[in-house]
Amino acid sequence: SQTIHQWPATLVQPVGSPLSLECTVEGTSNPNLYWYRQAAGRGLQLLFYSVGIGQISSEVPQNLSASRPQDRQFILSSKKLLLSDSGFYLCAWSVHGDTQYFGPGTRLTVL
Amino acid sequence: DAKTTQPPSMDCAEGRAANLPCNHSTISGNEYVYWYRQIHSQGPQYIIHGLKNNETNEMASLIITEDRKSSTLILPHATLRDTAVYYCIVRGNNAGNMLTFGGGTRLMVKP
Repeated sequence: SQTIHQWPATLVQPVGSPLSLECTVEGTSNPNLYWYRQAAGRGLQLLFYSVGIGQISSEVPQNLSASRPQDRQFILSSKKLLLSDSGFYLCAWSVHGDTQYFGPGTRLTVL
Repeated sequence: DAKTTQPPSMDCAEGRAANLPCNHSTISGNEYVYWYRQIHSQGPQYIIHGLKNNETNEMASLIITEDRKSSTLILPHATLRDTAVYYCIVRGNNAGNMLTFGGGTRLMVKP
């Protein structure tokens, strides 16, 4: 069966510091991968999605970037965090455009 | 993707069926109806989806009206662990079709 992992689970970072969040999927090949952000009390915002290694589509301009160095690894990064980057970051996977399955999330607090 | 309308909150007695309604009057012919739920501080959990026929799985049943403008998620025997926010989403099945979560319905299952 397929599983999706995210780490870290929680993170507290100062403004201006770098960020690296990792997502890995097991039990499937060539998945579509997604990064979402959920601000407190709000819905999900799609940040990036990837249909293959090295292929990244950005949905919202921001100071975040994503990379897919391996088939089942998706990384969300920032060179300098802003206060507004705080939120709950969710990684999801799907087979082609089918049902998306979410990971446990990373709660990021920028101080 | 089409918008959905859900009641903000509902209560249900433990052991009884929970019927969660959703209106999606602007749904287009190739859009599916998806249901997810999110327990506080966890990633959204996929429940069920359908196009036009009713669907059932081990978690729930999905009833879609013939005109596809509304649907109902049925949890046949609600338990306390079913307390969560339930999201009804309509989307196409392409890789770039994001999941747009609205406010959802906060279901409270009471003993």
